[in-house]
Amino acid sequence: GNSVTQMEGPVTLSEEAFLTINCTYTATGYPSLFWYVQYPGEGLQLLLKATKADDKGSNKGFEATYRKETTSFHLEKGSVQVSDSAVYFCALRSRGNFNKFYFGSGTKLNVKP
Amino acid sequence: GAVVSQHPSWVICKSGTSVKIECRSLDFQATTMFWYRQFPKQSLMLMATSNEGSKATYEQGVEKDKFLINHASLTLSTLTVTSAHPEDSSFYICSAEPRAGLAGGFRTGELFFGEGSRLTVL
Repeated sequence: GNSVTQMEGPVTLSEEAFLTINCTYTATGYPSLFWYVQYPGEGLQLLLKATKADDKGSNKGFEATYRKETTSFHLEKGSVQVSDSAVYFCALRSRGNFNKFYFGSGTKLNVKP
Repeated sequence: GAVVSQHPSWVICKSGTSVKIECRSLDFQATTMFWYRQFPKQSLMLMATSNEGSKATYEQGVEKDKFLINHASLTLSTLTVTSAHPEDSSFYICSAEPRAGLAGGFRTGELFFGEGSRLTVL
């Protein structure tokens, strides 16, 4: 089946620290992978995506590389800001079931000044 | 990017009443929209897939008669929580997939999410 596992939070970092949020997946076939971000009181926004193995998605200083061999899509940022505080969701979309997205449980990031 | 709008963003109602939440795609047509429910500190739970012009497809465990979904046009889907109870209080989020065949960035079949609607049932 299809599923996404991401590290539990909350993750608390100081401003300018390095961020890694782990995400691994199980899927039939070759899925597309996504990171979504949810700011307090808002809906989800697409942060970045990768559609095939070895692709690197990047946006706003965040990066994630589609690793087929380790079935992972870890989110990284070299220097976080207070404004990055949010909940981050890893998700996959299976090519075999094109209409469904599968989300991880979300990881809350708190960045302190 | 594409914009999906939900209304209302928050609603408070009495137990036993019905509440309708609208989800609109503002600058694209969406043959498929999805309704999610988010519990506090938890991930999104897919409730149903709303298909324009046909019946919604509900996920296992979701009551069809309680959560009525209508997708009457290519830009509007509605979720009606009937006879609401306090346990229905939650954050409801819709998402929409642009119609296949549009040019540009829609080829990867991205989902675009509404802002969410917080329902509180007293």
